[in-house]
Amino acid sequence: ETGVTQSPTHLIKTRGQQVTLRCSSQSGHNTVSWYQQALGQGPQFIFQYYREEENGRGNFPPRFSGLQFPNYSSELNVNALELDDSALYLCASSSGTSRSGANVLTFGAGSRLTVL
Amino acid sequence: AQSVTQLGSHVSVSEGALVLLRCNYSSSVPPYLFWYVQYPNQGLQLLLKYTSAATLVKGINGFEAEFKKSETSFHLTKPSAHMSDAAEYFCAVSARDDKIIFGKGTRLHILP
Repeated sequence: ETGVTQSPTHLIKTRGQQVTLRCSSQSGHNTVSWYQQALGQGPQFIFQYYREEENGRGNFPPRFSGLQFPNYSSELNVNALELDDSALYLCASSSGTSRSGANVLTFGAGSRLTVL
Repeated sequence: AQSVTQLGSHVSVSEGALVLLRCNYSSSVPPYLFWYVQYPNQGLQLLLKYTSAATLVKGINGFEAEFKKSETSFHLTKPSAHMSDAAEYFCAVSARDDKIIFGKGTRLHILP
């Protein structure tokens, strides 16, 4: 079975630009979560999608938005980039019913975003 | 609300020595608890999880963790460190909504 794949692996943007990050979930998984991991920090929860609907959101502004597609792949969009958005963005997929905190997350290797 | 505190951002142990990484949690409901490991340039990999069954949880690569409700702790141990254990370790907590909250991580260094 394939794992979670993310693209691109690295990218550089300038302040004010917009970025789209993509994630293909593991086969059989219907839930996708996005995390931001700043340098030297633990992952911070951005939001989660279950069956194409947002299913929880962390403390991130509306310029962070997402989508989940019928095949359960997902996109993270960030508008009006700021310097502090520089981080590793991790996508994780899981299976089972929604709102089950015991579900194990399978992580991708991440997309490293640098904002200049 | 849930939160996790990992004591020590860096821990160094000699190869063959005991590994002990400390984690304390705060949760308003009975929690699910996890330990994940992150190797350089990779995503996070699950080591073990606690979901209210046995309080001593065994994971992969010889790691285990013990849930102690009275101490609100979930420390990670391994009897004998190996060079390949060098990585960053994250403790995490979840309630019932599948939103997993991570600690800031502990980088484990193995000394030859």
